[in-house]
Amino acid sequence: EAGVAQSPRYKIIEKRQSVAFWCNPISGHATLYWYQQILGQGPKLLIQFQNNGVVDDSQLPKDRFSAERLKGVDSTLKIQPAKLEDSAVYLCASSLNVLRDTQYFGPGTRLTVL
Amino acid sequence: GEDVEQSLFLSVREGDSSVINCTYTDSSSTYLYWYKQEPGAGLQLLTYIFSNMDMKQDQRLTVLLNKKDKHLSLRIADTQTGDSAIYFCAESGNAGNMLTFGGGTRLMVKP
Repeated sequence: EAGVAQSPRYKIIEKRQSVAFWCNPISGHATLYWYQQILGQGPKLLIQFQNNGVVDDSQLPKDRFSAERLKGVDSTLKIQPAKLEDSAVYLCASSLNVLRDTQYFGPGTRLTVL
Repeated sequence: GEDVEQSLFLSVREGDSSVINCTYTDSSSTYLYWYKQEPGAGLQLLTYIFSNMDMKQDQRLTVLLNKKDKHLSLRIADTQTGDSAIYFCAESGNAGNMLTFGGGTRLMVKP
């Protein structure tokens, strides 16, 4: 079974630029999550989708971050404009459904903002 | 809000047992998880325990849960150099399936 795929693996941008990350969950997984992991910390949930609807985005800085999952499969996370403090690893995870299911994580995208 | 705390670092010798500890504050936590993260990789689920259990064993891994003290531990028997990684404790409460992670414990295994 293929795991959660993410691209790119690494991205370096200057502050105030825009960046987008892509995630393809495990086939058949209805729930998709985006986490931000700052160096030396545990992952923090940014947004959770159930199919193409948002379950929780309370931790998403909506002035600069946006995410979509238009067809209920792939998802993109965008940052516009980026700040220095956005430097982190962005992890995507998926689970079969929203109720107590194991989350499987992708390898992450490491973002460096200069 | 919910809080999950872990010690930062643990060093053991190969063949010894490792015990990684975690405390949490959310009394409504229903599942508690242990994830492993190797350099440059995503998080790998090691094991989980339901809140009405006090122990779970899975090969070299033993999870102990003290719900009264809100304390969770992961014991790795016969620790190997390949076990060197960062270990994250996480909990999910009643609010959907959202995970709250601790800061991670870096385990270093010396040959």
